Amino acid sequence: GAGVSQSPSNKVTEKGKDVELRCDPISGHTALYWYRQSLGQGLEFLIYFQGNSAPDKSGLPSDRFSAERTGGSVSTLTIQRTEQRDSAVYLCASSLASGTGYGYTFGSGTRLTVV
Amino acid sequence: GENVEQHPSTLSVQEGDSAVIKCTYSDSASNYFPWYKQELGKGPQLIIDIRSNVGEKKDQRIAVTLNKTAKHFSLHITETQPEDSAVYFCAVTTNSNSGYALNFGKGTSLLVTP
Repeated sequence: GAGVSQSPSNKVTEKGKDVELRCDPISGHTALYWYRQSLGQGLEFLIYFQGNSAPDKSGLPSDRFSAERTGGSVSTLTIQRTEQRDSAVYLCASSLASGTGYGYTFGSGTRLTVV
Repeated sequence: GENVEQHPSTLSVQEGDSAVIKCTYSDSASNYFPWYKQELGKGPQLIIDIRSNVGEKKDQRIAVTLNKTAKHFSLHITETQPEDSAVYFCAVTTNSNSGYALNFGKGTSLLVTP
């Protein structure tokens, strides 16, 4: 596609429910990243995929968070048993390859609200 | 991980004036330094970047300077316009085996008043 597409754009869920957030990267981009942006805060790294390699999960805040990337393209971020502190904008980005020197293209994000 | 500090957190300038935002980092092996602009309700957008073998890069009204010895880099916006109002993030990445994810500063909210 022309850009990174994320869905849904907004999600309101009840505390304790599971949610799935979807990211469709730019065609041909092999690297995909998930970040979390809390209100008025910077971007917190969550997880990174590069091709078929094992993902770098070092930023996931707890074992309630998981992500997968099927066929090297679309990625899904899953949050189980959501808590109010999970409320944030979840941003996905993709780049041509991993390694330094490759700028990211971000999607518009999914705004998650846990009530 | 890489520690990135960004200052100021907020900046207000009059239209036509210059704006400067500075970031410092801790890892001397860092070698790629992009800047992103985020408008309300949108994802961050890459506006300019610089690699460690270059000291300065310009693109029209924006420029980035890098001081590798002091481990800091700055974004310069000249002749600011109201549409420059946004949140700006610096980022740093290091070529390491642990991965290549960007580490971001906490952002600078720039307001350009007419």
